[in-house]
Amino acid sequence: KAGVTQTPRYLIKTRGQQVTLSCSPISGHRSVSWYQQTPGQGLQFLFEYFSETQRNKGNFPGRFSGRQFSNSRSEMNVSTLELGDSALYLCASSSRQGSTGELFFGEGSRLTVL
Amino acid sequence: SQQGEEDPQALSIQEGENATMNCSYKTSINNLQWYRQNSGRGLVHLILIRSNEREKHSGRLRVTLDTSKKSSSLLITASRAADTASYFCATDDYGGSQGNLIFGKGTKLSVKP
Repeated sequence: KAGVTQTPRYLIKTRGQQVTLSCSPISGHRSVSWYQQTPGQGLQFLFEYFSETQRNKGNFPGRFSGRQFSNSRSEMNVSTLELGDSALYLCASSSRQGSTGELFFGEGSRLTVL
Repeated sequence: SQQGEEDPQALSIQEGENATMNCSYKTSINNLQWYRQNSGRGLVHLILIRSNEREKHSGRLRVTLDTSKKSSSLLITASRAADTASYFCATDDYGGSQGNLIFGKGTKLSVKP
């Protein structure tokens, strides 16, 4: 069974640009959660999607958005990038909504904003 | 938001020694989980312990949970160089508004051969 796949693995953007990250969950998993990891703040919850609906959202500005498709694949978008958005963005899938059970993480997308 | 806090922040030991990491949290929980992260990679689930359990084993891992003290510990026995990684505890927020896992800042474990 293939694991969680995130693309791209690395990307460099400049301030003001926007970025879209993609996540393909484990087959059969309908919940996808996104986390931002930085050295200073650690792992912070962005949002969770289940059956194409956003079920939960963390404390991030509206520049951070996401969506989920009918095949459970998810994308997150960050608009008007700021230097502080440089981080490792991790996607995790789960078979259950609420993502409070075991999460299966992808390898992450490392975003550098210059 | 409430968060688990791991202790120590960093731990360096020799191969073959045991490593103990602690986690404290603030609110009632349904379960507590431990994850491992190799440098710059994704997190890997290690073990989940429910609030009505006190101890759980998985291979060389032993996890304890004390809900009265709101704390948990992860013991890795007979450590190996391959155990070098960051270890995170994660809790849900039972009864709270957040339906997601909340991670601590992690313990960075270095096992020297």
